[in-house]
Amino acid sequence: EAQVTQNPRYLITVTGKKLTVTCSQNMNHEYMSWYRQDPGLGLRQIYYSMNVEVTDKGDVPEGYKVSRKEKRNFPLILESPSPNQTSLYFCASSFGTSGGRETQYFGPGTRLLVL
Amino acid sequence: TQLLEQSPQFLSIQEGENLTVYCNSSSVFSSLQWYRQEPGEGPVLLVTVVTGGEVKKLKRLTFQFGDARKDSSLHITAAQPGDTGLYLCAGTFYTGTASKLTFGTGTRLQVTL
Repeated sequence: EAQVTQNPRYLITVTGKKLTVTCSQNMNHEYMSWYRQDPGLGLRQIYYSMNVEVTDKGDVPEGYKVSRKEKRNFPLILESPSPNQTSLYFCASSFGTSGGRETQYFGPGTRLLVL
Repeated sequence: TQLLEQSPQFLSIQEGENLTVYCNSSSVFSSLQWYRQEPGEGPVLLVTVVTGGEVKKLKRLTFQFGDARKDSSLHITAAQPGDTGLYLCAGTFYTGTASKLTFGTGTRLQVTL
């Protein structure tokens, strides 16, 4: 089944404790991205990757890191989480961008609470 | 950062009613997509519109892209409880070096029996 998987689905942590949220897709997509979703703010892009070893900042990259060592994986790293990073996170992938005409496939989301 | 404003933010209606959700921006978009998100899941694409004035239909859902490609609307006819969810518009514009997808603030729809 074609899908985007994220782990963990739920995570409670404390300020400053490094964490990684994994994202994997089995559709051979080149484009992958991370979003955070907050009430009243919609989905905001954190980082995106056009291909292996090619990553770039989105709208809200502060406090986050990503890597793209393999085509299928795009982990999101919070080196020193803070309470303002409490949010619902989504990973998404698509074949490309094609001027926004590509379908983006989203993972199920990771709900993060930073105490 | 380009902004997409959706209205209304919340909508609670009864089964059988019609409704329209709006997505507006001051920027011109090369294309616009509508997604629906259900609780505990990621957004799922409903439609992509690319031409100014374009109208697309998906069963009881009608999507329209504004002539100037700065706005879009989603009209649902005879809403059903299964239409309940968060509706998100997402517009793409060119930054000069790449295409950038920006999501709207969302419209939460609840359809009751």
